Amino acid sequence: GAGVSQTPSNKVTEKGKYVELRCDPISGHTALYWYRQSLGQGPEFLIYFQGTGAADDSGLPNDRFFAVRPEGSVSTLKIQRTERGDSAVYLCASSPTRDNNPGELFFGEGSRLTVL
Amino acid sequence: GNSVTQMEGPVTLSEEAFLTINCTYTATGYPSLFWYVQYPGEGLQLLLKATKADDKGSNKGFEATYRKETTSFHLEKGSVQVSDSAVYFCALSPRRDNTDKLIFGTGTRLQVFP
Repeated sequence: GAGVSQTPSNKVTEKGKYVELRCDPISGHTALYWYRQSLGQGPEFLIYFQGTGAADDSGLPNDRFFAVRPEGSVSTLKIQRTERGDSAVYLCASSPTRDNNPGELFFGEGSRLTVL
Repeated sequence: GNSVTQMEGPVTLSEEAFLTINCTYTATGYPSLFWYVQYPGEGLQLLLKATKADDKGSNKGFEATYRKETTSFHLEKGSVQVSDSAVYFCALSPRRDNTDKLIFGTGTRLQVFP
């Protein structure tokens, strides 16, 4: 596809369950980012991949959150033992390279997670 | 630390009115500054950017000037259209050549009525 694709678009789960959110970046984009956007707030940085490696995971709130990008393309954000406070829209973004057009990220429409 | 503060919305205007959305920032060093826009049902997209002091970013009739002395990056448009209705986010990147952490403001919703 032409843009960043995120699935599922909506996920409702129960407290304590495990959740996976998938991001398919724009083909050829080496940099991939995850952000979290709570209601009424701006996006907050979670983790950044350059290729297959997590170059910066300082935004992950705790060890229940983990993300992978094993082949340098698709990424999965994994949340264990979900809590109600994890409810938010999880945004994925990609960019061609780290140094090209700094700050121009291409965002997906997000995955809305609701933890009951 | 680094942070962005932008005016609360919603901002409600009639078509062809002048728009200003205020944004101020706190940063160490020399950040790059951005405005992103989110149209209904779509993902965030870059509207404009400025990478150094006194630079002016512009796109689709919108403008913003990087003011280091006032640490501001206010978004302006001379004549808004109904199609400009969206949520606008001011953001900064702490290092000019590094895209790994955009820090966003809380967003300002703009509603334009015919």
